[in-house]
Amino acid sequence: DAKTTQPTSMDCAEGRAANLPCNHSTISGNEYVYWYRQIHSQGPQYIIHGLKNNETNEMASLIITEDRKSSTLILPHATLRDTAVYYCIVRAHNTDKLIFGTGTRLQVFP
Amino acid sequence: SAVISQKPSRDICQRGTSLTIQCQVDSQVTMMFWYRQQPGQSLTLIATANQGSEATYESGFVIDKFPISRPNLTFSTLTVSNMSPEDSSIYLCSVDRPTNTEAFFGQGTRLTVV
Repeated sequence: DAKTTQPTSMDCAEGRAANLPCNHSTISGNEYVYWYRQIHSQGPQYIIHGLKNNETNEMASLIITEDRKSSTLILPHATLRDTAVYYCIVRAHNTDKLIFGTGTRLQVFP
Repeated sequence: SAVISQKPSRDICQRGTSLTIQCQVDSQVTMMFWYRQQPGQSLTLIATANQGSEATYESGFVIDKFPISRPNLTFSTLTVSNMSPEDSSIYLCSVDRPTNTEAFFGQGTRLTVV
């Protein structure tokens, strides 16, 4: 079973920041938090991952709480092309299988 | 990154028949996985394709229904056997390498069983 819980859906205005929360209260010390997204009819796309420090790349920022029981994915300036289902996944090793939960359906509107 | 080619991209099949889906990677990978995504649902892991040995299946999936081959480090096949309309889904291949921190996915095979 997935070890994360996410809101079913969220809306965001184009150009604004999209903040997607994820709860992973049973995360183990050696487990990373990964984020993927799936744009309609495509394979999932990696976004970012982290262990305990905040991370940033060209796509997004990941904020992990100090107790590591929750995290937030931030898309700083959402565009219409960011409309997708976003999945938060915990994973112990970089070759461990990915177990997907239900994800958050983000709708970016003009 | 890894370039993954999945074939066919889509197919319409008669019930009772079987379809073999191919996953080809442009470089050697350690782990290969097969997922199913039923209409409107999230991805469900079917099995881990092990090179040189039998695949490891997740609960609810069996080898007789979803036989998997992995003859080398760049190629795997998934067969959907004795298909019924309930098998209509997108089937996705995913790969991992120790040198990468993220998994890569193919574009999927959209299967419709009539």
